[in-house]
Amino acid sequence: RKEVEQDPGPFNVPEGATVAFNCTYSNSASQSFFWYRQDCRKEPKLLMSVYSSGNEDGRFTAQLNRASQYISLLIRDSKLSDSATYLCVVQLSGGSYIPTFGRGTSLIVHP
Amino acid sequence: GAVVSQHPSWVICKSGTSVKIECRSLDFQATTMFWYRQFPKQSLMLMATSNEGSKATYEQGVEKDKFLINHASLTLSTLTVTSAHPEDSSFYICSASGTPGPQHFGDGTRLSIL
Repeated sequence: RKEVEQDPGPFNVPEGATVAFNCTYSNSASQSFFWYRQDCRKEPKLLMSVYSSGNEDGRFTAQLNRASQYISLLIRDSKLSDSATYLCVVQLSGGSYIPTFGRGTSLIVHP
Repeated sequence: GAVVSQHPSWVICKSGTSVKIECRSLDFQATTMFWYRQFPKQSLMLMATSNEGSKATYEQGVEKDKFLINHASLTLSTLTVTSAHPEDSSFYICSASGTPGPQHFGDGTRLSIL
């Protein structure tokens, strides 16, 4: 079983739709969780950290379920500019622990 | 916010050339930096963990004599692709983190070996 698993997609949705991605992780000692966005031929950029209580940033909501060992990302009112690959990242703790990346979920938002 | 600078952003070289890529943390100190490689339409692959003042830790299958890593200061790590060949053409990205928190990525270096 891979350490961090994501459905590669692509998720093809119309503008204005709500879309959700899940990411499962295998190491129960994982402490830090993040969602990144990567555009084609660009570096990954931090979208949001994921906190135990769940957190929201505008149209984006991230949640953590430690019991089932997954994190989720919900995007409401999708925009064309949301089209990208969304990477799930899991770390044990601290800055020096190797971050483990999912392979990414591709989102395509069409008019 | 934390900024990681990577240079150069684009390199085109002849086969057999050695190429050095720099990764700098601009506003924080990073005892650890990571180097990744990404081929088109594939996921990021961790190549090595760069440790300040000590040897890098390489992932399985990554040749340490081919990809030389030097982390001489708390703000700079370099990756040298020695005697590069066309199959080394890829997108190389570094990342670093200050205090416990998310990784911040450099802009990446697109390496093309002719």
